[in-house]
This record gives sequence, structure tokens and C-alpha cells, in this order.
Amino acid sequence: KQEVTQIPAALSVPEGENLVLNCSFTDSAIYNLQWFRQDPGKGLTSLLLIQSSQREQTSGRLNASLDKSSGRSTLYIAASQPGDSATYLCAVGVGANSKLTFGKGITLSVRP
Amino acid sequence: DAGVIQSPRHEVTEMGQEVTLRCKPISGHNSLFWYRQTMMRGLELLIYFNNNVPIDDSGMPEDRFSAKMPNASFSTLKIQPSEPRDSAVYFCASSSQLGGSGSNEQFFGPGTRLTVL
Repeated sequence: KQEVTQIPAALSVPEGENLVLNCSFTDSAIYNLQWFRQDPGKGLTSLLLIQSSQREQTSGRLNASLDKSSGRSTLYIAASQPGDSATYLCAVGVGANSKLTFGKGITLSVRP
Repeated sequence: DAGVIQSPRHEVTEMGQEVTLRCKPISGHNSLFWYRQTMMRGLELLIYFNNNVPIDDSGMPEDRFSAKMPNASFSTLKIQPSEPRDSAVYFCASSSQLGGSGSNEQFFGPGTRLTVL
């Protein structure tokens, strides 16, 4: 059974800092990996999707990497801003239908 | 461009009542997923459909839960009878399955916050 872990559960950083959010998974036979952002009381917003054949994806200040062999992914946020404060969830897709297994998320607080 | 639409956004009901949650996926998407989010267990997949057909309902907690997708633009998740432990946020998501391409990015609706008293 696929298990996805995100540690730490919470993180507080000063504005402007570059930071890395970690995600690990137990079964390397994945189809894809998706990073989401969730604001309090809101739904999930897809940030980046990495296909199993890819090593990384970039969107603006965000860069996600994937190392299937070690069962790890990282989300890099450059020059963090208070507006980046949210919970970031990592989800691993298995099979052609990409049934997602989620981590518990990392709650990020960026202090002005 | 409308995203995934869910209704109602909030539902408060009493134990034993029937609850029906509704979802309209993004037009053109052929896969639909129902998830439940709680503080204790995080986000869990309940069931998903491909081309309106249920593919995997192993996450449905009990027989009290049922889901249907009568057509490509509508799905329901029903709980009958509801219990306080069903209180959670229920999300619907959709994706366009592209076969072997490895994409299948999922897009989520705003969720329905269910409270069972």
C-alpha cells in the first residue's frame, strides 16, 4: 500500500527566504506526482504535476523535482512571500487512472 | 472557464438523515473522483469513475455510502443514513485521462463541508 509522508507538518519562515518542502513515498512504481496548495477553508489548487518519466517541473517561483528510485519529491519555493502561506500537499498517482494517495500536508507560514 | 462545481457548499443535518452531495466535472474530462478530508485522516479517495463507470470503490467506508454518475456531466455521493463521524469536507475532482501519457492532472472543486449533528 502506497504511503506518502510530508515532514515537518508545519513550517514558519521570514519573507524572502528560499525554501524546500519534502515529500516521500514508499512505492516507487508511480504514474505521476502532483503538488497542491490549499488555503484555509478552500479547495485544492494544482501547482505542478510531474510525470513518472520526468525529473522536474517549473512554474514561476516554484520548482518540483522527482526522484522515483529514492521515493522522494521536493517543492522549491523561491523568494517566499506572505501570500505563499497555505498548506502544501503532495499526492502520488498510481496507475493509468492516477488514483491519488495524499500526504498530510505541510502548513507554511511566511512572516512579513 | 468553469472549474469543478460542487453543491451544496455547506450541509448541516441530523444523524439518520439522507445526504446527497453533487458534482459537475470540468467539461471534457472523463475521470471523476470523490475524496473526503478530515483532520485525523487527511485526504482519502472514496471512489472514482472513468467514462461514467465506477472503477474502484474500495475507499467507500460503508454500505451507507453510494455514488452514481448517470452522465458525463453529473455525479452524486449519497450517505444514508448519515452519522456524526461522517462529518468532513467532501471534494470532487476531475481529470482528462490521456492513456499512456502519464498526465491526468486532477482539478478539485471547492468542496462540501458536511456536519452531521
